Amino acid sequence: GQQLNQSPQSMFIQEGEDVSMNCTSSSIFNTWLWYKQDPGEGPVLLIALYKAGELTSNGRLTAQFGITRKDSFLNISASIPSDVGIYFCAGRMGGSQGNLIFGKGTKLSVKP
Amino acid sequence: NAGVTQTPKFRILKIGQSMTLQCAQDMNHNYMYWYRQDPGMGLKLIYYSVGAGITDKGEVPNGYNVSRSTTEDFPLRLELAAPSQTSVYFCASSYGQAYGYTFGSGTRLTVV
Repeated sequence: GQQLNQSPQSMFIQEGEDVSMNCTSSSIFNTWLWYKQDPGEGPVLLIALYKAGELTSNGRLTAQFGITRKDSFLNISASIPSDVGIYFCAGRMGGSQGNLIFGKGTKLSVKP
Repeated sequence: NAGVTQTPKFRILKIGQSMTLQCAQDMNHNYMYWYRQDPGMGLKLIYYSVGAGITDKGEVPNGYNVSRSTTEDFPLRLELAAPSQTSVYFCASSYGQAYGYTFGSGTRLTVV
């Protein structure tokens, strides 16, 4: 099946640092979504992107829909401890293949 | 609104046993989905439904069955549990295909 390559797999953050992660695909997507999952919970939608080049913010989070429509980026500014968790990108190709495809996740942990 | 409710939260099954994972949503969403999440593997689609009476296979349907007799409920049935079905199962719903999904809090299933 279609794969989304999400990177990095994991990263450690120190409070106040900016964080970046991305998701790439070999196919064109017409929707990109970013989710966060806390331990023991289901993923929660953070940001949805529907147009190539679109840049959308949600508080300290900013996501962009790549102009090639094959990638998306999520940035977290001035990270805080509650930002830890797993972040998933998800994309939708549209047409008959309209279900979301999920990346494998980026796990954010606090630097020891 | 409760959103998407999954029961049970945890379950241990013996090989060969069967069980039904329950999922209910109160948002009048037409679309409902079942995913399984294995460590480091993201979310894999098992089955989905675009409305009452309509179901279709996802990426990993083998060993599972679903039904959708009402808009609200979308149970997932495991007939002969196998160790490979040890996973965390998430149910999700959406208003339409172009919208983000709302997830339940998951069912952690262990088959021994």
